[in-house]
Parts: sequence; structure tokens; C-alpha cells
Amino acid sequence: KAGVTQTPRYLIKTRGQQVTLSCSPISGHRSVSWYQQTPGQGLQFLFEYFSETQRNKGNFPGRFSGRQFSNSRSEMNVSTLELGDSALYLCASSLGSAEETQYFGPGTRLLVL
Amino acid sequence: AQSVTQLGSHVSVSEGALVLLRCNYSSSVPPYLFWYVQYPNQGLQLLLKYTTGATLVKGINGFEAEFKKSETSFHLTKPSAHMSDAAEYFCAVTSYSTLTFGKGTMLLVSP
Repeated sequence: KAGVTQTPRYLIKTRGQQVTLSCSPISGHRSVSWYQQTPGQGLQFLFEYFSETQRNKGNFPGRFSGRQFSNSRSEMNVSTLELGDSALYLCASSLGSAEETQYFGPGTRLLVL
Repeated sequence: AQSVTQLGSHVSVSEGALVLLRCNYSSSVPPYLFWYVQYPNQGLQLLLKYTTGATLVKGINGFEAEFKKSETSFHLTKPSAHMSDAAEYFCAVTSYSTLTFGKGTMLLVSP
């Protein structure tokens, strides 16, 4: 099976712009989660989608949003970018139960100037 | 609420030495516990996980971890370090379908 893929791998944006990141899960996986990784804060949970519905949400401002399509592919959007949004954004997919392994993609590295 | 504490942001060992990476967790419900490894410029790869059953869990690349409920710990060990083990290691806990990660431990292996 193909693994989790994320596009693009690298992005450079300027403050105030918006950005959309894409994640394609492993075939058959219905849960997609997004995480932000920064040197200062480590790995933080953004949100999880399951069968096109947001099932869990982390403690991030409303500028961070996401969606999931019927084929389980997911996108996350960040509006009005801030310098502090520079990070590695990781997507993970799983079958959806808590004990199931989450498989991670390679991430999208976002740099905000 | 759940949380994970990893003792030591950096651990240095010599090649062939024992690797011990410490992880303590707190969870209001029976936890599911995971160890992931991250190599530079890559995503996270699962090393091993504990859900139920045997408390000593074996993973890939010779790693293992023991779930100790009384100590709320899930330490990761490997009898003999290899240069290729140099990476960052993350312990995580989940009781629903979201992972809460520790801050990570960078493992440095010297020849």
C-alpha cells in the first residue's frame, strides 16, 4: 500500500497570506489528523477528521481550519498567516479507533516571512 | 486530560551501549501508548505500541518498551545502540483518537 502523502513538501509565504495543505491517507483509512511541529512547542494536535466530519479539535485559533472529502483526502487551511505559523505540518491517517496506529506523512514545511 | 513527560531532551550513548529513553504519562482513562521515531526531514515512524495484554512490547529495530501502570511509565530500551539509531524519539499517549506527544528525546550515538 502507498503511504500517506502530503503536498506540497515546502512552502514559503508572507504574513497575511493564506495557505492550503493537502493530505492523501492510506487507502482504506477514514481518519485523518493534523499536527503542527515547532522547535518551541513540539508536536501539537490541530484537528481530526473522520468520515468527512471533524471529530476532535486542538487548541488552535480559528485561522486554522480543515476539511475532509468523500475519498478521505484532507486539506487544512491557514488564513492570515503569522510568523509563528512557520512549522512542519504533519498529517496522519488511521482506521479511526484510539488504539489504531496513526501513520504519518513526510510533512509540509511552511515558512512565513 | 492526558500528558506525557520525556526525561532528557538529549541522550548520548556509545555505539554498542544500552539505550534507555524515559517516558512517563498521565491519563484519566486506561492509556494506549506509542513510541515514534523521527529522522531528519522526515515524518514520524512507529517503533512500537501498547494497547492491552502483555506489558513488554517489542518493536522494530530491536527496540522494546515496558508498560508499568503503577509507575505510569513506558520507557524505551535497546540493548545495543547502532549509529543508525541516532534520531529523535517521541513518546505519545491516546485515550480517544488524538495523540498527545512528549517533547521528544534526541538520541546521539558516538562511535
